[in-house]
Amino acid sequence: GENVEQHPSTLSVQEGDSAVIKCTYSDSASNYFPWYKQELGKGPQLIIDIRSNVGEKKDQRIAVTLNKTAKHFSLHITETQPEDSAVYFCAASRKPPYSGAGSYQLTFGKGTKLSVIP
Amino acid sequence: DTGVSQDPRHKITKRGQNVTFRCDPISEHNRLYWYRQTLGQGPEFLTYFQNEAQLEKSRLLSDRFSAERPKGSFSTLEIQRTEQGDSAMYLCASSPSDFSYNEQFFGPGTRLTVL
Repeated sequence: GENVEQHPSTLSVQEGDSAVIKCTYSDSASNYFPWYKQELGKGPQLIIDIRSNVGEKKDQRIAVTLNKTAKHFSLHITETQPEDSAVYFCAASRKPPYSGAGSYQLTFGKGTKLSVIP
Repeated sequence: DTGVSQDPRHKITKRGQNVTFRCDPISEHNRLYWYRQTLGQGPEFLTYFQNEAQLEKSRLLSDRFSAERPKGSFSTLEIQRTEQGDSAMYLCASSPSDFSYNEQFFGPGTRLTVL
């Protein structure tokens, strides 16, 4: 099955600096890579995703890059703010061969605790 | 609020008791997932429904666990004879029915503590 590795496990940055979180995956058939932000006591919130036919995607201060050859993808947060402090998870999934064949279950990394210091 | 809702948010039970959790997905989302998250870990897949059909179950889902989604709307997850190792956050997610689309939206979770 799929295996997703995520680094670093903790990350502290000064407000205004950039933060980068990296993930690798093992299943070459994976084609969808979302990133989630989880605040204490809450469920994961989808913040950005990328599909395997795209190399980079940007949404305001957040960007994700994908290198299919190397099987790794990264989250970049620029101009960090204290409210960016949370645990971030990367995930990967593959499309089932046909509708009803199975799920698009997500395989998650272990998370990165990001602390933005004011 | 049109997001995924879960009930209860917290559950404390004694070992050996049965518990049941409910998930209400986003309206018109045909796909529904259950995940389990333990402290310091990412969510782990438990089971998946497409409409009312349970199409996939993880090996994590022991015989003590059962899930249903009658009429393809809300879903329930029941744990029988709870064990301390069942203590975790149980998360529900839903996704639109488009075959090529897999954006999963999570609920706030139910935190289970087994004493």
